[in-house]
Amino acid sequence: DQQVKQNSPSLSVQEGRISILNCDYTNSMFDYFLWYKKYPAEGPTFLISISSIKDKNEDGRFTVFLNKSAKHLSLHIVPSQPGDSAVYFCAADEGGGSQGNLIFGKGTKLSVKP
Amino acid sequence: EAGVAQSPRYKIIEKRQSVAFWCNPISGHATLYWYQQILGQGPKLLIQFQNNGVVDDSQLPKDRFSAERLKGVDSTLKIQPAKLEDSAVYLCASSDPSGATLGSTDTQYFGPGTRLTVL
Repeated sequence: DQQVKQNSPSLSVQEGRISILNCDYTNSMFDYFLWYKKYPAEGPTFLISISSIKDKNEDGRFTVFLNKSAKHLSLHIVPSQPGDSAVYFCAADEGGGSQGNLIFGKGTKLSVKP
Repeated sequence: EAGVAQSPRYKIIEKRQSVAFWCNPISGHATLYWYQQILGQGPKLLIQFQNNGVVDDSQLPKDRFSAERLKGVDSTLKIQPAKLEDSAVYLCASSDPSGATLGSTDTQYFGPGTRLTVL
């Protein structure tokens, strides 16, 4: 049973517009959430994270929103750029920090068209 | 700073053969992870080391998979014998637990992975 779900396998967005990637989780013990970005033939790269005590975290063009009651988080990319085209993985950690047992979703492939 | 190194990058074997993967983590990172990523899925943790001790190997199929990190630096993951369903990308990651702040988790840095095809 999947504890972290990314229900959209792919997303296509026009350059300059907003990209919104969604993630749902089922385990209420998760207390830390991360987004990783993956280019072909490379390993995942950490992008942004959020603790369960917050509902928003922003880093440049990237913002992650967390809705604990809905067990839902989203990654917003504004404005989207062609270089953002990659697979984005949502991951969750129930270890209370420094545990490292990340549970990953299946990923969403983002295509940003010029 | 050099990233996580893995070799080989690609490996093709026949079922029932043995295979080994090597990982060199980022210098100074005490924690090392091996993940299996099957096509169309997210990475799944196989084993986690803290220095040379195993922290979590609950999802490692121990009848055929083994891993070691003898000196607390490099690590090897072995599959013996391989099955068709072992075809996947095997990712190694490392992290520095001392870098985590309160309420956060230590960031994992991934290597490029080894793509295994079992025929």
